[in-house]
Amino acid sequence: DADVTQTPRNRITKTGKRIMLECSQTKGHDRMYWYRQDPGLGLRLIYYSFDVKDINKGEISDGYSVSRQAQAKFSLSLESAIPNQTALYFCATSDPHGTGTNTGELFFGEGSRLTVL
Amino acid sequence: AQSVTQLDSQVPVFEEAPVELRCNYSSSVSVYLFWYVQYPNQGLQLLLKYLSGSTLVKGINGFEAEFNKSQTSFHLRKPSVHISDTAEYFCAVSGGSNYKLTFGKGTLLTVNP
Repeated sequence: DADVTQTPRNRITKTGKRIMLECSQTKGHDRMYWYRQDPGLGLRLIYYSFDVKDINKGEISDGYSVSRQAQAKFSLSLESAIPNQTALYFCATSDPHGTGTNTGELFFGEGSRLTVL
Repeated sequence: AQSVTQLDSQVPVFEEAPVELRCNYSSSVSVYLFWYVQYPNQGLQLLLKYLSGSTLVKGINGFEAEFNKSQTSFHLRKPSVHISDTAEYFCAVSGGSNYKLTFGKGTLLTVNP
């Protein structure tokens, strides 16, 4: 089983619908992230969480919200989806304590492809 | 603030040829540097990383990268590529107080027979 699991893997929805992308991890990491990938733009950070009580906006948080339900779970919501939110979304984790050095190394899920019509 | 520039968006090469994917970064603090690879329809996996020590870093699948502090570069190289190396490659940098990764826009490596 994957250490970082995203559901759903693929989703097609319509403009205006509410969508939730879920991420769970078995790595025991405190830090979790949501990134968005668009062709030619690389990965852009949407939100990140350093622990259950710590949520922070990334560079492109408008139109998105998140919930950190537990150390292992971090959900991304689109309250009212629009076509330009069509993208590949990645959840990632990092562990600032495991190696004794906080390097920022990320461990990724396999992605959730969202299409908004 | 930190940033990453991948100088080539696409690199086509023939099988068994050498390849270099170029990455420059900017940061006002000491950094850690990473290369990730994304095979078609898959997530990102770590190829190699520079944390400290030797500036020549070896990774998986025969790739290596050299950290050049004076030129603020971290170019990725492989002496002989295979069809299976076709993928998108992302350079990333972390540093500062919370060590969030900043990614480049990616380089699509296409290996042709």
